[in-house]
Amino acid sequence: QKEVEQNSGPLSVPEGAIASLNCTYSDRGSQSFFWYRQYSGKSPELIMFIYSNGDKEDGRFTAQLNKASQYVSLLIRDSQPSDSATYLCAVGGGSYIPTFGRGTSLIVHP
Amino acid sequence: DTGVSQDPRHKITKRGQNVTFRCDPISEHNRLYWYRQTLGQGPEFLTYFQNEAQLEKSRLLSDRFSAERPKGSFSTLEIQRTEQGDSAMYLCASSLEVRDTSYNEQFFGPGTRLTVL
Repeated sequence: QKEVEQNSGPLSVPEGAIASLNCTYSDRGSQSFFWYRQYSGKSPELIMFIYSNGDKEDGRFTAQLNKASQYVSLLIRDSQPSDSATYLCAVGGGSYIPTFGRGTSLIVHP
Repeated sequence: DTGVSQDPRHKITKRGQNVTFRCDPISEHNRLYWYRQTLGQGPEFLTYFQNEAQLEKSRLLSDRFSAERPKGSFSTLEIQRTEQGDSAMYLCASSLEVRDTSYNEQFFGPGTRLTVL
């Protein structure tokens, strides 16, 4: 069974700091990796996706992928209180049906 | 098209009743997915469609659950003889699958929150 593991948190960081969110996955055949943000009571919103080893940057967000270690992370620079949410890691395999982790709760305090 | 829509947004029902939810995907998207999410958990895959064909169904999905996507447009998810354990947020997502790529960027609807009393 494909598994995606995330620390449920909460991860608490001060405003302006870097938040680092981590995710590990079990299926070595996984090809696509996604980070979703989910505010309380709302549906997931895609914020980053990555397919190749290395880093991908988009504004304040950087996704890092290491397929050898089966590890994907999300860095949020200059964290803002509006970044407070649950961050879901999703991993897609050959069937392209992503498996979601349980999410990490992030709290950015002023 | 402003995105994936779902109806109703909230549904309260009594145990044993049947309920049906609707999802309208982004118009050009050929794949449609149903997920269930409970508090503190990530979305759990239920089933998905490629156009009108239902290609995969989770082994966790009870026979009380059925989904359709007639004509490859909107989809319905029906739960028969609801149980209290069915209480959850039911999420629909859609994506555009391009052949021979690994793309699977899913866009989620607002969800239908089901409460079974």
